[in-house]
Amino acid sequence: AQSVTQLGSHVSVSEGALVLLRCNYSSSVPPYLFWYVQYPNQGLQLLLKYTSAATLVKGINGFEAEFKKSETSFHLTKPSAHMSDAAEYFCAVTPDDYKLSFGAGTTVTVRA
Amino acid sequence: GAGVSQSPSNKVTEKGKDVELRCDPISGHTALYWYRQSLGQGLEFLIYFQGNSAPDKSGLPSDRFSAERTGGSVSTLTIQRTQQEDSAVYLCASSSGFGDTQYFGPGTRLTVL
Repeated sequence: AQSVTQLGSHVSVSEGALVLLRCNYSSSVPPYLFWYVQYPNQGLQLLLKYTSAATLVKGINGFEAEFKKSETSFHLTKPSAHMSDAAEYFCAVTPDDYKLSFGAGTTVTVRA
Repeated sequence: GAGVSQSPSNKVTEKGKDVELRCDPISGHTALYWYRQSLGQGLEFLIYFQGNSAPDKSGLPSDRFSAERTGGSVSTLTIQRTQQEDSAVYLCASSSGFGDTQYFGPGTRLTVL
């Protein structure tokens, strides 16, 4: 079965610093990959989606992710963290169907 | 336009009671999904509806869980004889079709005492 692993359950960054959240997937075939963000007491919001059109995917709020087949990775980055980026981030995969399989999530805190 | 809505936002119930959770998908979306988010299990797929096709119930954890979707729109997730381990946030999502981006509602937080 498809699965994703998120390295690091908590990440703390300073405001203005690089945000890097790691995600690795297990698949013999490049799947559809997603990053979702969940703000406190809210539902999941799609940040970006990889569908094989381009390996570098730009999303909302300045986030982007790069698909690397050789490393089976789909890491999420943002060059400069804002206080508003404090949230929980989920990497997810769906191979060729509809069920999203989520990673365990990474909580980001931003220090002033 | 309006997003996915869920009601109630919070539900507290006693062990053994039945509960119903409601989801209103985005208008025109033919696909509807239920997920559960709990501390121990993370985010888990529960059930998927697509148009008039038979739903995929493969993620339902037990026969106490059931869901229906009336008229291809509103969906209700029913949990019978609730147990404490059912405490979780139940998330609903909809999409415009098979494989399309899923848009999530705010969730219903269920607490079983």
